[in-house]
Amino acid sequence: ETGVTQSPTHLIKTRGQQVTLRCSSQSGHNTVSWYQQALGQGPQFIFQYYREEENGRGNFPPRFSGLQFPNYSSELNVNALELDDSALYLCASSSSALRETQYFGPGTRLLVL
Amino acid sequence: LAKTTQPISMDSYEGQEVNITCSHNNIATNDYITWYQQFPSQGPRFIIQGYKTKVTNEVASLFIPADRKSSTLSLPRVSLSDTAVYYCLVGDMGGKSTFGDGTTLTVKP
Repeated sequence: ETGVTQSPTHLIKTRGQQVTLRCSSQSGHNTVSWYQQALGQGPQFIFQYYREEENGRGNFPPRFSGLQFPNYSSELNVNALELDDSALYLCASSSSALRETQYFGPGTRLLVL
Repeated sequence: LAKTTQPISMDSYEGQEVNITCSHNNIATNDYITWYQQFPSQGPRFIIQGYKTKVTNEVASLFIPADRKSSTLSLPRVSLSDTAVYYCLVGDMGGKSTFGDGTTLTVKP
């Protein structure tokens, strides 16, 4: 069974640029959630996708958007990058939207200069 | 989404039992309580989940009183490798809960 994978592992961008982060969910999982984790803080929920539809969103502006594909992999897109977007971006998958048993990937470290 | 409150940090020694308590006064009827462990530069790792009373697995126990307004994660006989940040989450739908700032556990030799 393959775990959750994310790419790239690290990324450096400049203000105003756009970025796409990718996540492959664990085999058999149809729900993917994205989190932003700033240094020294807990992960903050961005949004969730369940069977290719957005299924809830946290307090993030519209320039944070996402997609889920038929194979349940997912993308997180961030437009007009700001310095405060520098963080660890985590993807988590689960087999159902009913429980909190999520399996997290290793994350993508984004640095915005 | 129910807010949780945990101690910022705790220290322990190898071989001791560690109990980390989380307060969640606004827990809803459908909410489950889940604990995660996170090492630096890694994603959180699921430890244990429960709804009420006591749950035990191979790594931890979770104690939930009848009013469910708090929960306690118990780690038996900790080792140096248990040094990590521990998060308590409360929610009814997978992936929509808010992580607090967690409890940084430091295990000393």
